[in-house]
Amino acid sequence: DAKTTQPNSMESNEEEPVHLPCNHSTISGTDYIHWYRQLPSQGPEYVIHGLTSNVNNRMASLAIAEDRKSSTLILHRATLRDAAVYYCILRANFGNEKLTFGTGTRLTIIP
Amino acid sequence: DGGITQSPKYLFRKEGQNVTLSCEQNLNHDAMYWYRQDPGQGLRLIYYSQIVNDFQKGDIAEGYSVSREKKESFPLTVTSAQKNPTAFYLCASSTQERPRAEAFFGQGTRLTVV
Repeated sequence: DAKTTQPNSMESNEEEPVHLPCNHSTISGTDYIHWYRQLPSQGPEYVIHGLTSNVNNRMASLAIAEDRKSSTLILHRATLRDAAVYYCILRANFGNEKLTFGTGTRLTIIP
Repeated sequence: DGGITQSPKYLFRKEGQNVTLSCEQNLNHDAMYWYRQDPGQGLRLIYYSQIVNDFQKGDIAEGYSVSREKKESFPLTVTSAQKNPTAFYLCASSTQERPRAEAFFGQGTRLTVV
């Protein structure tokens, strides 16, 4: 399975943008990049996903490098409710998919 | 509302007893997954199922068993062979349609073995 690498933790000030990086140098051409976040004592929730082009939704933006070996989740204006663990994973577009997660990035928002 | 439901939220068992965690989804998803999460750690895959009556071991299947007799249900049994069963257990489901869409998670079951 292609793996991702994320920093263990990051801090950001409230109401400022946050850029969460993810490296996936062994990504295959048909792997989708997915981001999830997990609030304390809850199950993860989907944030955004993309293949090649940058993507925007109401929660965040996803910037994908041209060579697809890295991506960045962008929270445009962080609030205290954005404090969570953020997971970047790759989802194969075919075949028997294990859907594995790494350890993610723990984001702390400073008031 | 469509979703994925895990029950109970908290579960206490005595050491040496088997215990079954429930996971039900009404999203018509083919794929279902079970994860274990220890404090401060990421999610580790226990078992997954792509279709009814079929399932595969994940990365930490020892001491666990599953069944997939119905599309909407994927119960996990934590057996007495699991050396350290106290953990937070999460169930997820996903469509098999392409391109791969998002996975949905339940709210988890916190199992404590005493």
